Amino acid sequence: NAGVTQTPKFRILKIGQSMTLQCAQDMNHNYMYWYRQDPGMGLKLIYYSVGAGITDKGEVPNGYNVSRSTTEDFPLRLELAAPSQTSVYFCASSYSTGVWDYEQYFGPGTRLTVT
Amino acid sequence: GENVEQHPSTLSVQEGDSAVIKCTYSDSASNYFPWYKQELGKRPQLIIDIRSNVGEKKDQRIAVTLNKTAKHFSLHITETQPEDSAVYFCAASGRPAVRQLTFGSGTQLTVLP
Repeated sequence: NAGVTQTPKFRILKIGQSMTLQCAQDMNHNYMYWYRQDPGMGLKLIYYSVGAGITDKGEVPNGYNVSRSTTEDFPLRLELAAPSQTSVYFCASSYSTGVWDYEQYFGPGTRLTVT
Repeated sequence: GENVEQHPSTLSVQEGDSAVIKCTYSDSASNYFPWYKQELGKRPQLIIDIRSNVGEKKDQRIAVTLNKTAKHFSLHITETQPEDSAVYFCAASGRPAVRQLTFGSGTQLTVLP
């Protein structure tokens, strides 16, 4: 299994541009998440999905959109990029077979700079 | 929603000494508490976790304790080694129904040789 994969690894955007960060997992996990990590800070949840066709906002959703058309893929869309969106973005997934199954598996991250 | 506070933000120890990182959480409904290790430029990786139905869990040099009454949990690393140097994050399951984790702000651990 490749686990959780993310593309691209690095990207520089100009203010006002848009882009999509790709995330895919091959573990048949129902739950998927997008986090951002600012320098020296913890992880903040942007959006999450509990299954194909179901998404919801996390703690910091403004300026982002997501979709979940398949179990495997969970892309994150940035519209009208702003310098405040400069960050490292991590995608994660989790399985849901029981009450205690919470472990989240992280992708390698995308380092985004908006200038 | 859940709020997780983590202390200290930085911690330096001599090789071979022990390190302790502490976290507090606010939501008494949280029932899962993982710890992640993140090396520079890498993804967070789970090192140990604890469910709310146990008070302590140990895995070789790493242990986690949970006090549900006080709503705090701690990571203990014994016999520290230079490769333990990293940022450590605690988390709590703020919304069990959607498997959502709320993370602490991280502790930069440096093990001095």
